[in-house]
Amino acid sequence: QVQVVQSGAEVKEPGASVKVSCKTSGYIFTYSYGISWVRQAPGQGLEWVGWIYPKNGNTKSAQKLQGRVTLTTDTSTSTAYMEMRSLRSDDTAVYYCARDPGAASFDHWGQGTLVTVSS
Amino acid sequence: QSALTQPASVSGSPGQSITISCTGTSSDVGGYNYVSWYQQHPDKAPKLVIYEVSNRPSGVSNRFSGSKSGNTASLTISGLQAEDDGDYYCSSFTSGSTVVFGGGTKLTVL
Repeated sequence: QVQVVQSGAEVKEPGASVKVSCKTSGYIFTYSYGISWVRQAPGQGLEWVGWIYPKNGNTKSAQKLQGRVTLTTDTSTSTAYMEMRSLRSDDTAVYYCARDPGAASFDHWGQGTLVTVSS
Repeated sequence: QSALTQPASVSGSPGQSITISCTGTSSDVGGYNYVSWYQQHPDKAPKLVIYEVSNRPSGVSNRFSGSKSGNTASLTISGLQAEDDGDYYCSSFTSGSTVVFGGGTKLTVL
């Protein structure tokens, strides 16, 4: 069965960087699936962060985050990564990765990674 | 890209039906049949319940159905059950090749 497992919680100071991992299993990582990242600030709704297509490495990020977020994959371990730089307090959120089988729908989600930005 | 518009809350009694609306623009909801709906329980990851406007993933109850008219998509849950209580989010592909979510709707089963 498809499994998506994310790395553990992180606490960072403002201005630092964070890299969250998302390890997948149970399907062919480089087949016709993307990986999307979605975040949820405390008590708030869902916000799309970006998307990567492991087959060719193509990426797309939300305009407000462009320049601060980098999405990558390691196809040898079927793992996706999201790195965010110049962290601010309003980046504090649970970050989710999810498999995207196309049509901008996310069918299998990771458990979420809480990133706390605080001095 | 502005968030899609959803009602903040809806409620219904067990056995009743409810509908949640999701209003966007011709650049997202109205322009593509790529609207999805997610259910989220407290402190849990979202769960996909509808994709491509009206398709149900395997394992999702047929009490969940989706539709779209113009720039507004809708999620209908029939035969409400206590377990349907939670937050619901719509999302859509956009003309900028991004994804936009709605603000979320809290469903209370009375």
